[in-house]
Amino acid sequence: AQKITQTQPGMFVQEKEAVTLDCTYDTSDPSYGLFWYKQPSSGEMIFLIYQGSYDQQNATEGRYSLNFQKARKSANLVISASQLGDSAMYFCAMSGANFGNEKLTFGTGTRLTIIP
Amino acid sequence: DVKVTQSSRYLVKRTGEKVFLECVQDMDHENMFWYRQDPGLGLRLIYFSYDVKMKEKGDIPEGYSVSREKKERFSLILESASTNQTSMYLCASSPGTFLNYGYTFGSGTRLTVV
Repeated sequence: AQKITQTQPGMFVQEKEAVTLDCTYDTSDPSYGLFWYKQPSSGEMIFLIYQGSYDQQNATEGRYSLNFQKARKSANLVISASQLGDSAMYFCAMSGANFGNEKLTFGTGTRLTIIP
Repeated sequence: DVKVTQSSRYLVKRTGEKVFLECVQDMDHENMFWYRQDPGLGLRLIYFSYDVKMKEKGDIPEGYSVSREKKERFSLILESASTNQTSMYLCASSPGTFLNYGYTFGSGTRLTVV
């Protein structure tokens, strides 16, 4: 069984500072995918970034990067130069080896609040 | 623009009612999923479907059933609504082949059972 752990229920960060949201995972699958989603107060889930377990380099998408440490089973999301619009819930998720037909397992989320 | 549409944004139902939550996707995706989201618990999988007329239980299927008669539509049914089913319900879809963005989600239905 897969498990995602997000230990930070809430975070407050000053605008323009960098933010690290923690995510650890547990799986017995040799191959898996890791995802981060953002959920603003409007409720929709917005895909941010993906990391494959065999990817050699950390994934980056604009201001988002995923700090992937496979031996430690961690997949932390880093947001550089935070903005007020980054205030939202953030969910870490993982899929198993069969990406096309695999369920996503989600963590409990971190509520990020950016302070002006 | 690809879309997953959930028919209602907010619903209020009475205890014991049969409740239908509808989800439609226009991307010809093979897979569809129903999750519920509760504070402190994240998203938990209720049911999913890999093909028309196919369904599989997720982690918390008790009190729910699903129907997928057409590829684009996946319905979640609360057979007899109870107050502990008050929650946000999220529908999602994904293609049958791997894409590195996971699911496409609907906007959610916030259900209150009174």
